[in-house]
Amino acid sequence: DAGITQSPRHKVTETGTPVTLRCHQTENHRYMYWYRQDPGHGLRLIHYSYGVKDTDKGEVSDGYSVSRSKTEDFLLTLESATSSQTSVYFCAISGIYNEQFFGPGTRLTVL
Amino acid sequence: SQQGEEDPQALSIQEGENATMNCSYKTSINNLQWYRQNSGRGLVHLILIRSNEREKHSGRLRVTLDTSKKSSSLLITASRAADTASYFCATPRAGGTSYGKLTFGQGTILTVHP
Repeated sequence: DAGITQSPRHKVTETGTPVTLRCHQTENHRYMYWYRQDPGHGLRLIHYSYGVKDTDKGEVSDGYSVSRSKTEDFLLTLESATSSQTSVYFCAISGIYNEQFFGPGTRLTVL
Repeated sequence: SQQGEEDPQALSIQEGENATMNCSYKTSINNLQWYRQNSGRGLVHLILIRSNEREKHSGRLRVTLDTSKKSSSLLITASRAADTASYFCATPRAGGTSYGKLTFGQGTILTVHP
C-alpha cells in the first residue's frame, strides 16, 4: 500500500464528540489528501496538503479540519461529529506523475 | 457534476471474456488515470495516460484516450474472477494550482463470474 497507514481502521463514536483520524506515510511525499467515500457520491476530496503546515480545502471541507506538522503525518479532525459524517475515509499521497496511492481506509460510524 | 463519469455503472461477465469500461470528462486534461478498488480496500492506481498518447498497455489492460471526444476506455482482456472490483477514472482538477488534485468518477462495478 505504498507505505501509507491509517489509524484507527474502524471507529464508532457518538454525535457531538471530536474525532481525529491519522494518516502516516513513509514515502516522504509532499502532497497528501483526505477523501471520503459514500454510496452515490463516489470519492470526494475533503482537504489536502502541499507541504508541512500548508493545507487547503477540498470540495466537502465543512465540519472538518486538518493539520500537518510533519511530512509523514496528516491528521483529519471532526470537531463535533455528526451522523452525516458516517463514511469511509481514505488518505492518499501523490506520486511524481500525480498518480495517487491510497491508504487502507478508516470506517467511521457516528451514532 | 463529475468531471469524469464512467459507463456502464455495472458490468457482469464470465471469466475469459473481455470487459470494457468508458469514461467521459468535460474539460481539457493533461492526463487521465484509472484506478481499481476491491471491496473494503483503498483504490489502487492502474495506469496513467497522457493527453498526447492515444493508447497505452499494461499487462491485460489497454487504455485509450480520445481528447477530441473527451473520452477514455479501459479494456481488460481475458478477465478473471480476481478482476472483480470497482473501476474509477480520474482527471486532474481544472483551473488554478491543482497540487495534484484529482476528480474521480462514480465508478463501474465489474463482476467476473467463474
